[in-house]
Amino acid sequence: DAGITQSPRHKVTETGTPVTLRCHQTENHRYMYWYRQDPGHGLRLIHYSYGVKDTDKGEVSDGYSVSRSKTEDFLLTLESATSSQTSVYFCAISPEVVMTDTQYFGPGTRLTVL
Amino acid sequence: GNSVTQMEGPVTLSEEAFLTINCTYTATGYPSLFWYVQYPGEGLQLLLKATKADDKGSNKGFEATYRKETTSFHLEKGSVQVSDSAVYFCARRNSGTYKYIFGTGTRLKVLA
Repeated sequence: DAGITQSPRHKVTETGTPVTLRCHQTENHRYMYWYRQDPGHGLRLIHYSYGVKDTDKGEVSDGYSVSRSKTEDFLLTLESATSSQTSVYFCAISPEVVMTDTQYFGPGTRLTVL
Repeated sequence: GNSVTQMEGPVTLSEEAFLTINCTYTATGYPSLFWYVQYPGEGLQLLLKATKADDKGSNKGFEATYRKETTSFHLEKGSVQVSDSAVYFCARRNSGTYKYIFGTGTRLKVLA
């Protein structure tokens, strides 16, 4: 299994508070992704990174920011959490496409915003 | 645009039944196509993939063929087991990008 960890695994917070989720990899893969999973919507891309300090928006980026200061860590921040951000968040990594066209997923973080 | 549409679930089958989960994609460029599986309480893991037209991906008894003429990548298995109960996601990646687009997922429940 690819070495991907997410922390925390579960979090309950209140509306208006900031929240940071962490994704850590030990594979030295270039690409990292944050998705949210919601019933009826499948997986939707929030942000992704194609290198240290290089990030780009996905389809549901409003209300989220990301940072990648090291190859191994990709942080997702909710500046002011809202109830609509209650979801399960997955991090994924992938190497250069010429190596293998596969994403590897972390175990997920279940976030509840009250 | 770039999208993936898969059949809604849940799909409930008896053990040893034949499985088909439909997936179609919009014909933009020449995407790579994937099936991922998510077991309860876990993240997604790659089940199989195909990178060009007429390719067949296969793994663990599952198969899917990249059909350019029908823009489809249907997942099939000849004889399902209880352990196949999971959520299955179809996905695409356009050449030249590193973004993956996922379908909404299809829940499969196999009864003993």
